[in-house]
Amino acid sequence: AQTVTQSQPEMSVQEAETVTLSCTYDTSESDYYLFWYKQPPSRQMILVIRQEAYKQQNATENRFSVNFQKAAKSFSLKISDSQLGDAAMYFCAYSTPGGSYIPTFGRGTSLIVHP
Amino acid sequence: NAGVTQTPKFQVLKTGQSMTLQCAQDMNHNSMYWYRQDPGMGLRLIYYSASEGTTDKGEVPNGYNVSRLNKREFSLRLESAAPSQTSVYFCASSRQGNSYEQYFGPGTRLTVT
Repeated sequence: AQTVTQSQPEMSVQEAETVTLSCTYDTSESDYYLFWYKQPPSRQMILVIRQEAYKQQNATENRFSVNFQKAAKSFSLKISDSQLGDAAMYFCAYSTPGGSYIPTFGRGTSLIVHP
Repeated sequence: NAGVTQTPKFQVLKTGQSMTLQCAQDMNHNSMYWYRQDPGMGLRLIYYSASEGTTDKGEVPNGYNVSRLNKREFSLRLESAAPSQTSVYFCASSRQGNSYEQYFGPGTRLTVT
């Protein structure tokens, strides 16, 4: 069974600074997809960024970027120029065609942003 | 465009009571999902429906039933609520058979006393 591990239950960052959230996963599949979801205090989960395993280039969405290390099975999220609105729970997720694309979620990292 | 809607947003039940959580999506998605979220546990899949007319168990199906009423609606029923079912429940939808993201509803906070 695939597993997704987020080893940092909580992280904190100063406003305008950069923070990196870690995620590792375990899989024997070669074709899969990785996601970072954000859950603010309102509880509404939204997708932050997505990475296809076959793509070597790291995905980027504005201030959010990933460091995808396929051999190491690592998928970290970097948030640049952190803003107060970035404070949320962040979940790493993995899905694969072999698993009917049903994602497996990590347990989450709570990000605190200090003004 | 409402996306994924869930009702109710909050509910308190007594042990043994039953209730149905409603979910609807207006994005013409084929696949719908029910998750529960507990502190420190992330999201755990209860049931999913890959397409209209089909439902399958997820990781934690015991104590729950689901109905895919039509393409838009996917309900979750607790027949006899237990305190262990106190949780936040999320409905989600996605396009079928690909890597597309899941779209989540706002969640239902359920407390069973």
